[in-house]
Amino acid sequence: ILNVEQSPQSLHVQEGDSTNFTCSFPSSNFYALHWYRWETAKSPEALFVMTLNGDEKKKGRISATLNTKEGYSYLYIKGSQPEDSATYLCAFDSNYQLIWGAGTKLIIKP
Amino acid sequence: DAGVTQSPTHLIKTRGQQVTLRCSPKSGHDTVSWYQQALGQGPQFIFQYYEEEERQRGNFPDRFSGHQFPNYSSELNVNALLLGDSALYLCASSRGDRGYTFGSGTRLTVV
Repeated sequence: ILNVEQSPQSLHVQEGDSTNFTCSFPSSNFYALHWYRWETAKSPEALFVMTLNGDEKKKGRISATLNTKEGYSYLYIKGSQPEDSATYLCAFDSNYQLIWGAGTKLIIKP
Repeated sequence: DAGVTQSPTHLIKTRGQQVTLRCSPKSGHDTVSWYQQALGQGPQFIFQYYEEEERQRGNFPDRFSGHQFPNYSSELNVNALLLGDSALYLCASSRGDRGYTFGSGTRLTVV
């Protein structure tokens, strides 16, 4: 059974601080690792699709790294803003299906 | 350019009933996947449709079935509803490069 773990489950961060969280996934049969940002009552928003070991991707203040050999990815947010409050999910792409973690709920305190 | 559209947004059904959920993919996408998200968990893969056929299926009973139409839109049908089927049902569309676009989901409550 393929398992994707995210930590921490939730995170409270002061506005302006930087933060990061982790996604662990199987290191075999890897195709891609997806990061999504999901606000309540909205659609999950794609942040990154990462395919190569050592990949680093950046979108504004958000960046992500990928280590396929050891099976982990980090998501970083620099200078957190209130609009960053959301649940961040990673998903392991395997054989036409996404296997999801349970997400990290990020709350930014003004 | 419309994204993925799901209908209805909310639905309440009684145990034992049947339900049909609908999804229109993003323009240019030809593949539709369905996911079930229970409270506090990540989404679980139900199945994926491509070229009007089920290409891959997750660990869901046969009560869950689907269909894809020639215009790439899709339906998810659930028969003999159980209380445990209460969840958010997400549809995602894609084409080739594995970049998935999600709808905002249908919230199904079974009472």
